[in-house]
Amino acid sequence: NAGVTQTPKFQVLKTGQSMTLQCAQDMNHNSMYWYRQDPGMGLRLIYYSASEGTTDKGEVPNGYNVSRLNKREFSLRLESAAPSQTSVYFCASVTGNSYEQYFGPGTRLTVT
Amino acid sequence: GENVEQHPSTLSVQEGDSAVIKCTYSDSASNYFPWYKQELGKGPQLIIDIRSNVGEKKDQRIAVTLNKTAKHFSLHITETQPEDSAVYFCAASMGGNNRLAFGKGNQVVVIP
Repeated sequence: NAGVTQTPKFQVLKTGQSMTLQCAQDMNHNSMYWYRQDPGMGLRLIYYSASEGTTDKGEVPNGYNVSRLNKREFSLRLESAAPSQTSVYFCASVTGNSYEQYFGPGTRLTVT
Repeated sequence: GENVEQHPSTLSVQEGDSAVIKCTYSDSASNYFPWYKQELGKGPQLIIDIRSNVGEKKDQRIAVTLNKTAKHFSLHITETQPEDSAVYFCAASMGGNNRLAFGKGNQVVVIP
């Protein structure tokens, strides 16, 4: 039981490049979330998926898109990366009747 | 929406002493309040949580207290040890879909 996994662990992009961050969970959780963590800003919700086939915007969705590929996988895409998107990105998941979120190890992204 | 604030931002304690971190929230409808611990380079991990129908919860050296009237809750760590050094995040449930609003985090440093 790996819990929540994220790939890649580290990534450096140039401004304007695109990339997809991958997240998968093996706990049969219904809901999945993408957060970004910046110094002094805590964890801010980018997008979430309450169930397979649905996605909704969070607090800071601009510049991002998501796909809930199936119940296990929830990906985050940056179409045209900007330096302001330099951050650590965390994926989390939770079962349907709980608020307890399980976090992945994070992806550290630098945009130059 | 929910607004969660944490104080102080940094806390240094001598090993063996107690540490207390306080959070305030704004939405009286919030009914779930978790605390997460984040070690360097890792994702946040749930350490204790409390629901709004309970005033206090304890798990070994950590405890959480909730004051619904004043809309604040606190994390108490007794007999601190070096391995307690980490960033601690409080959160409050926010609307539906199992979402959480996070505070900005507290850096706790335990001095041996």
